[in-house]
Amino acid sequence: AQSVAQPEDQVNVAEGNPLTVKCTYSVSGNPYLFWYVQYPNRGLQFLLKYITGDNLVKGSYGFEAEFNKSQTSFHLKKPSALVSDSALYFCAVSLRTGFQKLVFGTGTRLLVSP
Amino acid sequence: NAGVTQTPKFQVLKTGQSMTLQCAQDMNHNSMYWYRQDPGMGLRLIYYSASEGTTDKGEVPNGYNVSRLNKREFSLRLESAAPSQTSVYFCASSEAGTDQETQYFGPGTRLLVL
Repeated sequence: AQSVAQPEDQVNVAEGNPLTVKCTYSVSGNPYLFWYVQYPNRGLQFLLKYITGDNLVKGSYGFEAEFNKSQTSFHLKKPSALVSDSALYFCAVSLRTGFQKLVFGTGTRLLVSP
Repeated sequence: NAGVTQTPKFQVLKTGQSMTLQCAQDMNHNSMYWYRQDPGMGLRLIYYSASEGTTDKGEVPNGYNVSRLNKREFSLRLESAAPSQTSVYFCASSEAGTDQETQYFGPGTRLLVL
């Protein structure tokens, strides 16, 4: 069965520093991978996705993620964190089976301090 | 465009009561989804509708029913609410449901069952 792991419940980083939010996946076959962000009392917003091609994917708000097939990882990164990046981040995977059923990780809370 | 809208925003029920959560999208999407979000568990798929006139069970369908009323609307019904159904419920939609698409989420309904 496919699964997604986000090993850190919370990541703390100072504003201006680089940030990484980790995600690893377990699927049979080639996955599609997604990152979503959830601000307080809001729905999930799409950040970026990996479908095929370049392993480095650029997304919204300056975020990027690197697909690493050998390590089965899809870590989210940003070179310089902002206080406004503080939110809950979800990694999700979808198998290439036709109809999309996303499997989400448990989420990582990012806290950026001034 | 409003995107995906959900009503109500918040609801308190007593055990055994019934209610329907409403979801509508104005993006002319074919596929719609219902998720629940619980602390430490990420989002889990309850039911989905690949297209108007079809519905299928997701990962956690027990205790719920759905209706795809038309292309725009997809409702979730709790026939006899239980405390275990206390959760935040999200509706989402995507254009055709193919597994590389982005899903768009509503703002959520927070449900408390006493």
